[in-house]
Amino acid sequence: ETGVTQTPRHLVMGMTNKKSLKCEQHLGHNAMYWYKQSAKKPLELMFVYSLEERVENNSVPSRFSPECPNSSHLFLHLHTLQPEDSALYLCASSQDMGLNEKLFFGSGTQLSVL
Amino acid sequence: AQSVTQPDIHITVSEGASLELRCNYSYGATPYLFWYVQSPGQGLQLLLKYFSGDTLVQGIKGFEAEFKRSQSSFNLRKPSVHWSDAAEYFCAVASDTGRRALTFGSGTRLQVQP
Repeated sequence: ETGVTQTPRHLVMGMTNKKSLKCEQHLGHNAMYWYKQSAKKPLELMFVYSLEERVENNSVPSRFSPECPNSSHLFLHLHTLQPEDSALYLCASSQDMGLNEKLFFGSGTQLSVL
Repeated sequence: AQSVTQPDIHITVSEGASLELRCNYSYGATPYLFWYVQSPGQGLQLLLKYFSGDTLVQGIKGFEAEFKRSQSSFNLRKPSVHWSDAAEYFCAVASDTGRRALTFGSGTRLQVQP
């Protein structure tokens, strides 16, 4: 248990659906991240929030929409996804955004887009 | 831009044998380097990190890594592998220029034979 909880663990959706991924951290951290993990590719940073403010958007398509209502919760809203968006979506948190910060990861949401 | 290369996609070792996983980075100044491990169905867990000082760093689970500036490498080692070490290992780098969040390599999958 890392203190970062992601729900749901698995999600299957059609291309016209709208769904949301949820991440919650119980560590009192100030920074939260979304990463995408596709087969045989490096982890891709999608979004970074620091103190509830988005500080990085790594050229992610607009069909992915993040939301950080407070420092403990992070959402990823999904709509009109494509099959190539099927991947493991990992949430992480860190105390701050220092360069030597340790990231704490959730177990991920395995997303399948049909 | 910073980048990380893990040349070995897949490695198989026998239980009790020594292990070395390779990592090369591309970055001009002193990087902040990390090794993370991901067990099946789980998020990533930090094994160790380096950002200054002694170039040989010790981590959890008996792992160590050595920073070699001349070779732009940060290889992970373990003298005697246990079956529970079977997992995917990711090298990552952070920098103080450009993007501050971690850049990950594509990972090395470790199999341990009895």
